[in-house]
Amino acid sequence: QKEVEQNSGPLSVPEGAIASLNCTYSDRGSQSFFWYRQYSGKSPELIMFIYSNGDKEDGRFTAQLNKASQYVSLLIRDSQPSDSATYLCALIIQGAQKLVFGQGTRLTINP
Amino acid sequence: DGGITQSPKYLFRKEGQNVTLSCEQNLNHDAMYWYRQDPGQGLRLIYYSQIVNDFQKGDIAEGYSVSREKKESFPLTVTSAQKNPTAFYLCASSIYGTHPTGELFFGEGSRLTVL
Repeated sequence: QKEVEQNSGPLSVPEGAIASLNCTYSDRGSQSFFWYRQYSGKSPELIMFIYSNGDKEDGRFTAQLNKASQYVSLLIRDSQPSDSATYLCALIIQGAQKLVFGQGTRLTINP
Repeated sequence: DGGITQSPKYLFRKEGQNVTLSCEQNLNHDAMYWYRQDPGQGLRLIYYSQIVNDFQKGDIAEGYSVSREKKESFPLTVTSAQKNPTAFYLCASSIYGTHPTGELFFGEGSRLTVL
């Protein structure tokens, strides 16, 4: 089983709708979870991090963490065409000094 | 401006040649990383260094080598032993090596193509 799994998509969402991106992980000891956004041909940039169960909101973005079910989600409200990108879920494996990435979900927002 | 500089941006290599990708940071970060990204894939860790003069293998280190002689620099050599080196290579840094925060700062990447 992969350490971090995401649906590679593509996920297509109409402009103004809510985009929901999901990620599951295998290491129950993982404590820190991150969402990176990567535009085509560019390098990733951190947009959200979450450490505790529940929701964390930052503007139009909400990260959700459920450690019991081992999943983390990213919701994007009022989706804009500029949100079209690949979203990478990442976490720090317990005891390891490195970040492990999922394969990413390609999101397209349709005007 | 602080940041990470990778060079070259594009590189073409003949089979059997070694190539070295440069990565320099002026953020005064302790840790540096090299990732490989293939089309439609996530990032896979090649090597990482938490402190000067020390580095560890990542998940796909075979066919690659690194050095960390200076805090600012973490060059990656793609050797002829790497069977499928065509990929997008990303260098990153983070402020702490021993207690990673998960926030990585990335360079713009180097795209290597084997002819």
